Formats: sequence, C-alpha cells, structure tokens
Amino acid sequence: DTAVSQTPKYLVTQMGNDKSIKCEQNLGHDTMYWYKQDSKKFLKIMFSYNNKELIINETVPNRFSPKSPDKAHLNLHINSLELGDSAVYFCASSLVVGTTQYFGPGTRLTVL
Amino acid sequence: AQTVTQSQPEMSVQEAETVTLSCTYDTSESDYYLFWYKQPPSRQMILVIRQEAYKQQNATENRFSVNFQKAAKSFSLKISDSQLGDAAMYFCAYRSAGGATNKLIFGTGTLLAVQP
Repeated sequence: DTAVSQTPKYLVTQMGNDKSIKCEQNLGHDTMYWYKQDSKKFLKIMFSYNNKELIINETVPNRFSPKSPDKAHLNLHINSLELGDSAVYFCASSLVVGTTQYFGPGTRLTVL
Repeated sequence: AQTVTQSQPEMSVQEAETVTLSCTYDTSESDYYLFWYKQPPSRQMILVIRQEAYKQQNATENRFSVNFQKAAKSFSLKISDSQLGDAAMYFCAYRSAGGATNKLIFGTGTLLAVQP
C-alpha cells in the first residue's frame, strides 16, 4: 500500500500551459508539504498545509497555487508554466506539525 | 536563518567497507532535529535516520549511525558494511523543534557510489 502517492510521475508540457500535480496520503496525517528539487538536486520547501490550512508559503511565484480539499490531499496547480519550473516536485506528509515527514515518489515536470 | 552544508559532492566506497558522510549546520536554536534522507536512482526520498538535538546519545539504525557533535554543529552519517543498494544521493536536513511550521532545510547532497 502506497503511503504518499503522487500523480502523474512524469509530466511534459509546453511553456505557457497550466498543469496540476496531485498528492494523496493514506497515513491519516494532518500536515502535508510540497518541495521542489531543481536540476542540481537542491530541495526546498514550497508550501505546507496543516489540516487544510496553509502554514508555509515560501516566496513561491503566485503562478503556483496549492489546494487542499481535505486532509488527505494536497494538489499543486501551476499556471503559465515557464522553463525554470522544470524540476522534480515532491509531496510529503507528517502526522502533525513537528513530526517526521514521509515523501512521495516525486513528479518530474519538464517544460519545453 | 538556518543553513545546512554538505561539503562532499561525491563519495565512493568499496562494498563491505565503511564510509562517513559529512554534514554541518548553522543555527542559533538550541532545540531541533537532524535527519539523513537517502534518494536512490528511483528518486524516492527515504528517511535513513533522525537525531533529536536534546539527546546526547547518537542515533543508530542497523548499519547506519550518526556522530552528532552539537557544539561543533556537526552531524555525520556512518554507513557500515556498505552494500550495493546503499548507492544513492544522501541529504542531510535540519528542522526546528519549535514554531508553527515544520519545514525541512536540506543540504546540497552527497552522491555515494558503492564499488563491487
């Protein structure tokens, strides 16, 4: 059983398009996150939601909009995709704020 | 702001040997957590080991152990009896213990190769 899952695993799209990445966790966790891993493998937090409420928003362009319809899901919508958005996006979850985070398999986004 | 530094971009070890990956961090906080995550070619981020700053005892998980030196702000990972499956990118990460957020701050990673 997959604990933290993401769809799709690969996403190739053209500049200017709008795309979404979905994340679901079946661990019963309250807190979920989005991280971005760039081409140099550097990982950085983008957003965090606790019980459907936004608690971290790290200077991310407003073209990125997270949405948490319920505690088990945290989706990432990206408008007007740019070349620099190409990266691997990881979803993670933790039981509550302040506990260990578990990561999904990542979504590799390629913008052409 | 907290920072995490991994000064070894790449390391190599012979199978069955021991290797140590270095990590240093900078913080003014006294209570925090430190982690090592492994990212194999499959891309999955896997938690290897965690250390609470208030604990003096070094964490151990089977063949993985850490050397936590709080005063020196150093947190190295030792892998004993290295196996081919240990080949991966290893990330050191820091997280504050207090506050309303829970973000992990990562180092730049060390790519470990295991030679048969």
